[in-house]
Amino acid sequence: DVKVTQSSRYLVKRTGEKVFLECVQDMDHENMFWYRQDPGLGLRLIYFSYDVKMKEKGDIPEGYSVSREKKERFSLILESASTNQTSMYLCASRRTGMKGVSNQPQHFGDGTRLSIL
Amino acid sequence: SQQGEEDPQALSIQEGENATMNCSYKTSINNLQWYRQNSGRGLVHLILIRSNEREKHSGRLRVTLDTSKKSSSLLITASRAADTASYFCATDAGLNFNKFYFGSGTKLNVKP
Repeated sequence: DVKVTQSSRYLVKRTGEKVFLECVQDMDHENMFWYRQDPGLGLRLIYFSYDVKMKEKGDIPEGYSVSREKKERFSLILESASTNQTSMYLCASRRTGMKGVSNQPQHFGDGTRLSIL
Repeated sequence: SQQGEEDPQALSIQEGENATMNCSYKTSINNLQWYRQNSGRGLVHLILIRSNEREKHSGRLRVTLDTSKKSSSLLITASRAADTASYFCATDAGLNFNKFYFGSGTKLNVKP
């Protein structure tokens, strides 16, 4: 089974701090994703990466950056944390499907509940 | 926005009853996926239906897709207390194979 591991289940940080959220997958998936989940808003894509050192902005990239130095690890960085970044953060990975077809499922970690005080 | 929207937002039923959740989306898709999320956990993939399929089954799950109405439904038959969770549909973003749009989910409560 695919395992996606997020480094922390709960994290409390202060406004203005630089925050790192780490995610590791063990199935050699090419693609990795960071979402945030807020009540009533569903999951919103922050960034994704389709290869080492490659990244693409999602729908809400402002205030975030990412790093993918190794295939198995994808890090989300909050450059200067703010209270409106308090949320549940979910990492996912996915194998690339046949060219032109997006038929592979995403595999999610258990999430990091981040509170910014 | 191409985001899928689930309906109803919340559903409460007795064990043994069937549960039906609906998803609507806005633009053309290649496939639609359903996920389950237990409280405080990540999402787990349940089933994928391609745009050229109308119905798909997996155990107690039945998914239908109507591309003319841009809608899908997830039926869970003979529900169990362990089915209590939030259910999300996810649609792809057409040509961008790595972008998926999730709705805000249906919260299902199955009472024993």
